[in-house]
Amino acid sequence: EDKVVQSPLSLVVHEGDTVTLNCSYEVTNFRSLLWYKQEKKAPTFLFMLTSSGIEKKSGRLSSILDKKELFSILNITATQTGDSAIYLCAVNQGAQKLVFGQGTRLTINP
Amino acid sequence: DAGVIQSPRHEVTEMGQEVTLRCKPISGHNSLFWYRQTMMRGLELLIYFNNNVPIDDSGMPEDRFSAKMPNASFSTLKIQPSEPRDSAVYFCASGRVTYNEQFFGPGTRLTVL
Repeated sequence: EDKVVQSPLSLVVHEGDTVTLNCSYEVTNFRSLLWYKQEKKAPTFLFMLTSSGIEKKSGRLSSILDKKELFSILNITATQTGDSAIYLCAVNQGAQKLVFGQGTRLTINP
Repeated sequence: DAGVIQSPRHEVTEMGQEVTLRCKPISGHNSLFWYRQTMMRGLELLIYFNNNVPIDDSGMPEDRFSAKMPNASFSTLKIQPSEPRDSAVYFCASGRVTYNEQFFGPGTRLTVL
């Protein structure tokens, strides 16, 4: 069965800390891996990764994919309270079908 | 751009009633996805359409669930009869066939009593 596993499920840190969120996957077909941020409402797109070893960066967020070891990480540096959210990892298996992980609930305390 | 529009935003109904959720995708997008999110199971794909045609409905939990897309700007997800275990947030998302990214609507929070 195709699966995407995220860890940790929950993380609480202080403002200014750096966090690393993990996503591992086992799927029959892999096309790309996507990261989403979900605050109170709908998930919003962060990154799409298709190639190993190429870091995607947006401000304090960055992500990288390892297709050999079948995982991705999402890093957030100098965290702020506004980074508090659920971070979702999803694998596109082709034909646009996304399989989501269960998410990591990140809480940033001031 | 208004983004993906879903209605209603909240729905509370009694077991056995019919529920219809509605979605208007982003103009120009030709793919539409229905997801369900619960604490226990996370975000699950129920069904998706390309160019108004259902492509994969393997995620639809049972025959009580049905989805239609009569045109490029409108889709419905119907549950008949509804059960308490259907309580969840239902998201609609849209995108383009040639791209991986999907844009999510605000969701409909369904509570079945």
